[in-house]
Parts: sequence; C-alpha cells; structure tokens
Amino acid sequence: SQQGEEDPQALSIQEGENATMNCSYKTSINNLQWYRQNSGRGLVHLILIRSNEREKHSGRLRVTLDTSKKSSSLLITASRAADTASYFCATDRGGGSQGNLIFGKGTKLSVKP
Amino acid sequence: SAVISQKPSRDICQRGTSLTIQCQVDSQVTMMFWYRQQPGQSLTLIATANQGSEATYESGFVIDKFPISRPNLTFSTLTVSNMSPEDSSIYLCSVAVRAGVGINYGYTFGSGTRLTVV
Repeated sequence: SQQGEEDPQALSIQEGENATMNCSYKTSINNLQWYRQNSGRGLVHLILIRSNEREKHSGRLRVTLDTSKKSSSLLITASRAADTASYFCATDRGGGSQGNLIFGKGTKLSVKP
Repeated sequence: SAVISQKPSRDICQRGTSLTIQCQVDSQVTMMFWYRQQPGQSLTLIATANQGSEATYESGFVIDKFPISRPNLTFSTLTVSNMSPEDSSIYLCSVAVRAGVGINYGYTFGSGTRLTVV
C-alpha cells in the first residue's frame, strides 16, 4: 500500500529557481529516501535521511525530516534543465531487514531553460 | 554501490504470450527485488527473490503470473506470463546497499523494462 504522498504532483519552474517537493507518510519509519526517475527509466537514489536526523545536504539537494509531522521535504537549489524528472520519496519501515520500502506517488518536475 | 544490468529495456508483446526480464548485478547480493510501475503511477513491490529458496510475493501477486528465478547471487529473472494489456508497465529490479551506520539501506535499481502488451 502507498504510504508516501508527495505534493505537488507536478511542478514547473524556470532554470535557476529553487524547487521544493514535500512528502507525507503515515507510519513510523527507520529512514526516508528520495529517488529520481528520468523519463520512465530506472530510479536513482539521491539521499537517505535517518529517523533521528532533521536535515541533510548533498550538493544542491537539501532534505528535511519532521517525524512529529510525519513529513519530509526535498529542496533542489539553482535548478537546471537536467533536473527535469520525477521525484519519489520512499519510507523504510526498518525492522532490520531489506525490502521494506514504500514509495510515494511522485512529483513530476519540469525545469524550463 | 552495485551496478545492475537489466534487459530488455523495452518490448512490445502480444497478449497471451510471456516475457522474461533479466537482471545481472556486478556483485553478490542476498536479496533482489522486483517492482512494477504502472503508467503514471508509483512503484509497487512484486516479490523478493532469495537465492536458494522460493521468492516471497506481495499481496496481489502470485507465482503463476510472475514466476521468478534466482539461480545465483548475481542474477535473477522475472517472467510476466499470459500477458494482457493490463500488464503494460515498467518493471524494475533492485538491490539494497548499506547506507551509512546502523541498519539503513539505500537501493540501486536497474534501468527498467518498459513492457507494452497489445
């Protein structure tokens, strides 16, 4: 069953602007992850934030996690046309085993040059 | 992290036929995961493929429809059997990689197989 819910479903911005995508989830988690998918291809792992972390950075990416609100946000700064893709959050329920990811529905980001 | 080669990248198949999708990993992994992504939708886990044992299927997916093989620690196949147009989706394989301290796993995905059933 789907747990993560991203919003917005679609986002269109100009190159150079920042893009913010949000994700909400329902149950307790071990970590939350963000993935990018270019045009129906494979997913690329962007960043993982553990349940005891509040913020994490990786290059132009900034992820926040608020476990009290069961929400996360992904910020892409100074966006580029190459950032055009679908972005998915995925929650890992943990329990010490693999394969516990539940994906959200994704945000389709379009960055116009 | 692991690199996965998945093939075919796409196929157009007649209804009633079967298609086998292959994933090759460049390192040994205990578990491999198969996902389906229906058009415009998110990913849904089909099953977990364990080497040396039967695959574990998620609710709504059965072995007769999606038989899986896992002959060794670097390879797995998923077959979509007796296909209908409703099976048109992207199918992806995935493996877990350790992500930092503790029991935290990130996942590497194959490039996906875009299946269209006509």
